[in-house]
Amino acid sequence: EAQVTQNPRYLITVTGKKLTVTCSQNMNHEYMSWYRQDPGLGLRQIYYSMNVEVTDKGDVPEGYKVSRKEKRNFPLILESPSPNQTSLYFCASSMLASQYEQYFGPGTRLTVT
Amino acid sequence: AQSVTQLDSHVSVSEGTPVLLRCNYSSSYSPSLFWYVQHPNKGLQLLLKYTSAATLVKGINGFEAEFKKSETSFHLTKPSAHMSDAAEYFCVVTVPGNTPLVFGKGTRLSVIA
Repeated sequence: EAQVTQNPRYLITVTGKKLTVTCSQNMNHEYMSWYRQDPGLGLRQIYYSMNVEVTDKGDVPEGYKVSRKEKRNFPLILESPSPNQTSLYFCASSMLASQYEQYFGPGTRLTVT
Repeated sequence: AQSVTQLDSHVSVSEGTPVLLRCNYSSSYSPSLFWYVQHPNKGLQLLLKYTSAATLVKGINGFEAEFKKSETSFHLTKPSAHMSDAAEYFCVVTVPGNTPLVFGKGTRLSVIA
């Protein structure tokens, strides 16, 4: 089954404790992206990647890092989480030629206390 | 730069009555426009797309949207609402090339029995 998986689905952590949210897709997509969703703000792009070893900042990259060492994986790293990073995070992937048709993961709800 | 404005944050309809979710866009270039749907506790799913072909586009589950350049609008409609349509709907704009998707803030659709 074609899908995007994220882990963990739920995470409660404390300020400053490094964490990684994993994202994996099995569709051989070149394009992958991370979004955060906050009430009343819609989805905002954090980082995206057009292929292995190619990453770029989205609209709200501050406080986040990503890497793309393999085509299927695109982890999101919070080196020193802060409470304003409490949010719902989505990973998405697509073919490079049709970035509008993105396949979304189920989401990761992160709470930073 | 491009942007979208979803004119209603919440729309409530009775089952069996028409649905209208409004979206206006702004773009310096010929836009591509999309509607995504997010059911509770799920990731986003592409509902329909406009990419400069027919101005009236049909999507899944009986939804339609009409691209009106003169009004810079891309409203989403459905003749008869079903309980399963209750979800959050996002209007999205992008332009050709490797440009990111720009999401509206979302419209929550409630369907009353």
